[in-house]
Amino acid sequence: DQQVKQNSPSLSVQEGRISILNCDYTNSMFDYFLWYKKYPAEGPTFLISISSIKDKNEDGRFTVFLNKSAKHLSLHIVPSQPGDSAVYFCAAISPGGSQGNLIFGKGTKLSVKP
Amino acid sequence: SQTIHQWPATLVQPVGSPLSLECTVEGTSNPNLYWYRQAAGRGLQLLFYSVGIGQISSEVPQNLSASRPQDRQFILSSKKLLLSDSGFYLCAWTEDSSYEQYFGPGTRLTVT
Repeated sequence: DQQVKQNSPSLSVQEGRISILNCDYTNSMFDYFLWYKKYPAEGPTFLISISSIKDKNEDGRFTVFLNKSAKHLSLHIVPSQPGDSAVYFCAAISPGGSQGNLIFGKGTKLSVKP
Repeated sequence: SQTIHQWPATLVQPVGSPLSLECTVEGTSNPNLYWYRQAAGRGLQLLFYSVGIGQISSEVPQNLSASRPQDRQFILSSKKLLLSDSGFYLCAWTEDSSYEQYFGPGTRLTVT
């Protein structure tokens, strides 16, 4: 059973507009969430994270929102740039699980059109 | 600064052949190390993790194994590859007190 779900396999956005990438999770014990960006044939790059004690974390053009009651988080990229085109993975950590065991979603492929 | 290396970058191996993928980390001591696999159309699946030399934990039973002969070296092996072992293998590291994992460039393995 998938504990971290990214239900949109792909998203297309116009350059300069906002990109919103969504992620849902089922385990209410998750207490830390991360977003990674991955280009083809490269390893994922850490983007931004959020602790469950917060509902928002911002870093430049990237903002992550967490709605614990809905078990939902989202990554906002604004303004979107063509270089943002990549696959974005949502990941969660469960306390008491395997040491630093990140549980990943399947990813959403973002395409930013010039 | 810390860097993580993986090699080879790509590998094509026949079914039944052995496998050895290597990962090394520079610029840190006693990192936690991880092996992940990304199969076609799927997310990242944790295979093994290690919190110290000689300490290996397996997350998914399979024909793969891992070893950590040195503090900053992590090796993924198989005695006999299966077709289902094809995928993109990623090594990652983190400091013991941190949640953020940092990934290497990956190895694309194709088993034919």
